Amino acid sequence: EIVLTQSPGTLSLSPGERATLSCRASQTVDGTYLAWYQQKPGQAPRLLIFGATTRATGIPERFSGSGSGTDFTLTISRLEPEDFAVYYCQHYDNSPFFGPGTKVDTK
Amino acid sequence: QVQLQESGPGLVKPSQTLSLTCTVSGASINSVDYYWSWIRQHPGKGLEWIGYISNSGNTYYNASLESRVIISTDTSKNQFSLKLSSMTAADSAMYYCARYRVTILGVVFFDHWGQGILVTVSS
Repeated sequence: EIVLTQSPGTLSLSPGERATLSCRASQTVDGTYLAWYQQKPGQAPRLLIFGATTRATGIPERFSGSGSGTDFTLTISRLEPEDFAVYYCQHYDNSPFFGPGTKVDTK
Repeated sequence: QVQLQESGPGLVKPSQTLSLTCTVSGASINSVDYYWSWIRQHPGKGLEWIGYISNSGNTYYNASLESRVIISTDTSKNQFSLKLSSMTAADSAMYYCARYRVTILGVVFFDHWGQGILVTVSS
């Protein structure tokens, strides 16, 4: 059973700073199945990245995904006020499953 | 524009069966590239996939819930539904319906979500 670990649990940053979020799989996985979501309080998750690197429709260019094997990264190049949220990675191994999430909050 | 909307009771008694419906607009649940999914989120916790149903009616469930879950579709109403039996307090959560995209290249992701419905299990 593959497990996704996200780090850090909480990332405290200021607007304008760069955010680097990690998603690590317990074994090598296919990046084709790796997606990232953003969830703001009181809202449903929103798809940001699929296939590890492809931005979903309407997602700003400041969001980028990278990685392969066991290590995947979501980078927000310059944080905007609306980017403070919880971010989840998700993979598929006979069924979809999610990482525990990283909260990006204001320093 | 694709929209999903959950409906159902917000309060369920212990041991009862939860029944939720997701109404889809802007897309057909008969589309071959999509599975129609239920996901839940316990308060302050992460996301847990419950299951999904394909356009051909094949169902796939989370092994931890499989014995209690039924997902079905009503194509005439463009809706799909969740039934979760033997509810306990541990099933109190926000329940989301979502569309799961499956591409020819095998890329998979949840691309549209409902706003969620909060379900509390209490007598």
